[in-house]
Amino acid sequence: EPEVTQTPSHQVTQMGQEVILRCVPISNHLYFYWYRQILGQKVEFLVSFYNNEISEKSEIFDDQFSVERPDGSNFTLKIRSTKLEDSAMYFCASMRGSSGGELFFGEGSRLTVL
Amino acid sequence: QKEVEQDPGPLSVPEGAIVSLNCTYSNSAFQYFMWYRQYSRKGPELLMYTYSSGNKEDGRFTAQVDKSSKYISLFIRDSQPSDSATYLCATPGGGATNKLIFGTGTLLAVQP
Repeated sequence: EPEVTQTPSHQVTQMGQEVILRCVPISNHLYFYWYRQILGQKVEFLVSFYNNEISEKSEIFDDQFSVERPDGSNFTLKIRSTKLEDSAMYFCASMRGSSGGELFFGEGSRLTVL
Repeated sequence: QKEVEQDPGPLSVPEGAIVSLNCTYSNSAFQYFMWYRQYSRKGPELLMYTYSSGNKEDGRFTAQVDKSSKYISLFIRDSQPSDSATYLCATPGGGATNKLIFGTGTLLAVQP
C-alpha cells in the first residue's frame, strides 16, 4: 500500500539552528501539506503546496518557514533559526485531488529544540 | 469561537462497550466531516468520511452528522483494546486547497 514517508523520525537541534524535514508523498498525488502538532494540542495546518508553489499558508507559516519540492518526489519543510516553541511533531500529508479526497499522513517527524 | 471543538477526554471503557465520540463545529457552511484515528506517536489515519447530514456505517464504526445542531459523532460498537487511540474529528476549512481543521482529539482507552 502506498504511503507517505518522512525523515527523520526524530531530530534534536539547538535553538537558532536550521532544520530540514523531508517527506516523500504518494507518487500520483498532486497536493502536499505540512501540519504541526505541539504536544497535547491539536493538529494545525501550516501550508499547502500545489503545482510547485504554495497555494495556502496559515498565520503560523511565517518567514521562518519555507517549503520546496526540489526534485519532483521529495517535499521539504525548512525551519530557519529554530525557537523552543517550534518543538512539535511535523506531519507531511498528500492528496490526489483537491475536492473532498482522502488526505494521507506520514508518521511524522518529531522536532525537539533545546 | 473555535471552529471545531472536541472533548479531549481521556475516555476509558471496558472491552465490548459502545463508545460515543463527539464534536461540535461553528460554521454552518462546513459540509464534509472526517474522523481520523491517531495511535501514539503516529500520523492520523482516515477512519470515516461523511457528507452532509445522516449516518454512515463501516463495520463497527458509525459516523453521524446533525447539521441542525452542528454536531458530529462517531460510535464504536464492541470496542476492542486495539481501538485505543486518539480520535480526531476534522472538516475541510474551504479555501483553495481544502485544508483540514481538526478538533483537539479525544483519547480513548479500551480496557481488556
